Amino acid sequence: AQSVTQLDSQVPVFEEAPVELRCNYSSSVSVYLFWYVQYPNQGLQLLLKYLSGSTLVKGINGFEAEFNKSQTSFHLRKPSVHISDTAEYFCAAQNSGGYQKVTFGTGTKLQVIP
Amino acid sequence: DTAVSQTPKYLVTQMGNDKSIKCEQNLGHDTMYWYKQDSKKFLKIMFSYNNKELIINETVPNRFSPKSPDKAHLNLHINSLELGDSAVYFCASSQATLDSPLHFGNGTRLTVT
Repeated sequence: AQSVTQLDSQVPVFEEAPVELRCNYSSSVSVYLFWYVQYPNQGLQLLLKYLSGSTLVKGINGFEAEFNKSQTSFHLRKPSVHISDTAEYFCAAQNSGGYQKVTFGTGTKLQVIP
Repeated sequence: DTAVSQTPKYLVTQMGNDKSIKCEQNLGHDTMYWYKQDSKKFLKIMFSYNNKELIINETVPNRFSPKSPDKAHLNLHINSLELGDSAVYFCASSQATLDSPLHFGNGTRLTVT
């Protein structure tokens, strides 16, 4: 079984500043990694995913994430945030074998301050 | 042309009642799920169906009974509702491959009084 840890429950950041949302995972097998965003009163939407290959993956809305196998991390970054980026961000992992069962982190609330 | 739609959006009911939440997806996916999101935003899988067959049942009380009449629909029926059932319930779907992302509905906020 895998687990996902998001250490920061809230991250306040000023508009146009860079941001990094941290995610660490643990798994005894290879995993696929995802970042989802949840806007208020909505379901989750996929931001980006890492399956294999290049460790730097780019997603929608200017976000990118870097897979680091040695540190078992998959941190999400954006060089300049907008007010519209205010949302809850979830890191998730799926084992590369067995049943399709995604494990989510506890989420990080990104609060962009004007 | 909503991809994953669930109804109702809000559901307020009293303890002991029975209620249902419906979900439909028009993405042609084979796999559908129910997730529960608690007040702290923690998301936990409840059930997963692949082509109408139950493949994941995550120690959910048997008061919760999913039903998949076809692969585009997955409904959730809850008997004898309890206060602790109050949460947001999300339906999701995906292709039947492990690297496929989830597509979520907008959630049903259930409040049990």
